[in-house]
Amino acid sequence: NAGVMQNPRHLVRRRGQEARLRCSPMKGHSHVYWYRQLPEEGLKFMVYLQKENIIDESGMPKERFSAEFPKEGPSILRIQQVVRGDSAAYFCASGNSNTEAFFGQGTRLTVV
Amino acid sequence: KQEVTQIPAALSVPEGENLVLNCSFTDSAIYNLQWFRQDPGKGLTSLLLIQSSQREQTSGRLNASLDKSSGRSTLYIAASQPGDSATYLCAVPYNNNDMRFGAGTRLTVKP
Repeated sequence: NAGVMQNPRHLVRRRGQEARLRCSPMKGHSHVYWYRQLPEEGLKFMVYLQKENIIDESGMPKERFSAEFPKEGPSILRIQQVVRGDSAAYFCASGNSNTEAFFGQGTRLTVV
Repeated sequence: KQEVTQIPAALSVPEGENLVLNCSFTDSAIYNLQWFRQDPGKGLTSLLLIQSSQREQTSGRLNASLDKSSGRSTLYIAASQPGDSATYLCAVPYNNNDMRFGAGTRLTVKP
């Protein structure tokens, strides 16, 4: 049973480009969570999704950020028109209700 | 609003020492608490999950306790080793959809 898979592990984008981060949850998990870890800061919740539904996006910036978890395929975190302040590690976690959360290795986004 | 605090922010000990990391949370209505380890530049590894009905959980040299009424958890590491050097994070559920993390304790175990 593979763990939570995130790709790419490292992503470099120029200012103004789009970044697409992928997360495949563990087999049997229907909940996906995205977190952002800014340099020297803690983990901050961004969005919680179940298949085809956004349950809670209270941590998502109001503009340029979007997330989806389609019926088939991985969850995608999309950042449009990236800026330097978007440089961070983005972590995905999966689980089911009231169970242990398992994290992926993260995607490190660098905006140049 | 749930706030999670970890003390100390950083800790340096010689190899072989027993140590305790502290985590406190403001809203005691939690159904579990989870301890994670994060190595520099790496993802998070789950260490222990304590359900609200439990007092403690043990895994190898690690022992985590939970006192919901006082809003506290401790992670005890016995006979520390240099390989234990990492940042340790505690997290509690929030609003059923979210996990709130502490800022972490950065542990260095010197050989």
